[in-house]
Amino acid sequence: DSGVTQTPKHLITATGQRVTLRCSPRSGDLSVYWYQQSLDQGLQFLIQYYNGEERAKGNILERFSAQQFPDLHSELNLSSLELGDSALYFCASSVIQTNTGELFFGEGSRLTVL
Amino acid sequence: KNQVEQSPQSLIILEGKNCTLQCNYTVSPFSNLRWYKQDTGRGPVSLTIMTFSENTKSNGRYTATLDADTKQSSLHITASQLSDSASYICVVSGGGSQGNLIFGKGTKLSVKP
Repeated sequence: DSGVTQTPKHLITATGQRVTLRCSPRSGDLSVYWYQQSLDQGLQFLIQYYNGEERAKGNILERFSAQQFPDLHSELNLSSLELGDSALYFCASSVIQTNTGELFFGEGSRLTVL
Repeated sequence: KNQVEQSPQSLIILEGKNCTLQCNYTVSPFSNLRWYKQDTGRGPVSLTIMTFSENTKSNGRYTATLDADTKQSSLHITASQLSDSASYICVVSGGGSQGNLIFGKGTKLSVKP
């Protein structure tokens, strides 16, 4: 158990809909990262937050947005969903914001868009 | 372009045998290289992290090597077990934020009894 909690584990929805994925980082970790993993693809970095502020942005679509709340949990909002958005979405946390720290991943949220 | 290439894509070995997975990268600047194990449908779990100055690091039956000159790394698994069946992902950090982590597509290892 990494200590990173993601909900929901599975989500099935229709095209055009909007969903919210939630992540609670490990106790004490200030950085939260979101990744997308499509079938048979590597993890793609979406966005990073550190202590409530956006720190880095990857290949995140404009239809996607995220935020980190004062209690450090984070939410990833996906709107106007398309079939191609079906993927595993991972949240990871780290105690620091630079790339030297250990990264701990949650178990992921599997999104299926029909 | 920053890239991480892993080989082979997939590998099947018998329980108890050793194997070596390869990772070549073109990421620059280089900060560190990580190997993760990802069970099917689960989150990746870190095996090793190596910086520029480290050329080998072990974690139980897993030993990673790094040649920063040739930009190559390998992960050697000794005396494989059925529980080693997973994808092994090589990740290279290009410095700065964790957002600069470049992930390989992974090698899918199947250990058969």
